[in-house]
Amino acid sequence: DTAVSQTPKYLVTQMGNDKSIKCEQNLGHDTMYWYKQDSKKFLKIMFSYNNKELIINETVPNRFSPKSPDKAHLNLHINSLELGDSAVYFCASSQKTSGVSTYNEQFFGPGTRLTVL
Amino acid sequence: TQLLEQSPQFLSIQEGENLTVYCNSSSVFSSLQWYRQEPGEGPVLLVTVVTGGEVKKLKRLTFQFGDARKDSSLHITAAQTGDTGLYLCAGRFSGTYKYIFGTGTRLKVLA
Repeated sequence: DTAVSQTPKYLVTQMGNDKSIKCEQNLGHDTMYWYKQDSKKFLKIMFSYNNKELIINETVPNRFSPKSPDKAHLNLHINSLELGDSAVYFCASSQKTSGVSTYNEQFFGPGTRLTVL
Repeated sequence: TQLLEQSPQFLSIQEGENLTVYCNSSSVFSSLQWYRQEPGEGPVLLVTVVTGGEVKKLKRLTFQFGDARKDSSLHITAAQTGDTGLYLCAGRFSGTYKYIFGTGTRLKVLA
């Protein structure tokens, strides 16, 4: 199936640990995103890459570092995990056409529920 | 600062009833999208509106973009249990690549 996939689905870890979440899309899209959804279901963008280039970098702690080895993959590494990092993290992708005037459908992955103990 | 406020936050209705969800902002958006999210899954796009005053219909769902492109509404006619979910609006500012998501409306349709 064509889709956006994330691994792992669930991640439970201790404070202070370092963890990574992986995302892959086989839709042929140019742009990928990471979002954080908190317990109140508020969805906030963290990062976006277009063709491996960082185009959106919101105000997130520098413990969060995205990496895009190619345009089909966008991974999220988190250092020194804190209790407040507990949330559901969503990866998404969209087909960015030329310029910012286009409006693109974002396809979301199933999410990774991160619990920091 | 929350730029996109949705109301109501929670809504529980009986099957067959009509409902409207609102998405309001003091900012002007170049486009606005509505998504539905079911438990354990990512949001799925329902519609994109780009022109002030635009109305789009998707079966029993009617979406409207405000004339000033600051607000939007989603109206569901004769709700069904399958409409249950979290509804999210997302607005994009002109000249930017990112969408700002609203606070969400959790809808539960009871049989």
